[in-house]
Amino acid sequence: DAGVIQSPRHEVTEMGQEVTLRCKPISGHDYLFWYRQTMMRGLELLIYFNNNVPIDDSGMPEDRFSAKMPNASFSTLKIQPSEPRDSAVYFCASSLAGYNSPLHFGNGTRLTVT
Amino acid sequence: AQSVTQLDSHVSVSEGTPVLLRCNYSSSYSPSLFWYVQHPNKGLQLLLKYTSAATLVKGINGFEAEFKKSETSFHLTKPSAHMSDAAEYFCVVKAGGYNKLIFGAGTRLAVHP
Repeated sequence: DAGVIQSPRHEVTEMGQEVTLRCKPISGHDYLFWYRQTMMRGLELLIYFNNNVPIDDSGMPEDRFSAKMPNASFSTLKIQPSEPRDSAVYFCASSLAGYNSPLHFGNGTRLTVT
Repeated sequence: AQSVTQLDSHVSVSEGTPVLLRCNYSSSYSPSLFWYVQHPNKGLQLLLKYTSAATLVKGINGFEAEFKKSETSFHLTKPSAHMSDAAEYFCVVKAGGYNKLIFGAGTRLAVHP
């Protein structure tokens, strides 16, 4: 089991550029989550999917953020245009269905927008 | 409504001494509770979970937690700290919403020689 795989590990970009973060969940997991972690706000849930369908995107900060899950093994989080306040660590996590199923996290993408 | 409070933002212990990280929760439902650990530049790793099968839960790396309904607590303990335990620890409660978690603010554990 390779775990949740995120790429890239680090991304540095200039304000106004498009950024795409990628995630491969654990095979067989039904749920996929995108989180953002900052010192000021801690961990924030941005969006989550069930069987590739977005269920709750109320945490997405604004229209500049979008997420897709075209199939069970791949998801993207896109920011366009990026802003310095988007600088954070973005985590992808996946889980099986079931009330007691824990989330399994990737190692995150550290995004820096200058 | 569900919530979780980690009572200490920082805890410092000496290597070989016990660790206690405190967590209180509130939940309208019979909760699922989790502890995660995050080492620098890493994702969150599951330490243990409570699922109502037993009130004392054993996890990885010698950690355990006890669910106390009367105190609405789920404190994390370890008898003897190791340098490698230095990390941030998150207490998490499963909200009523399906597969939605509420994270505590985290406790940063420092372990001194």
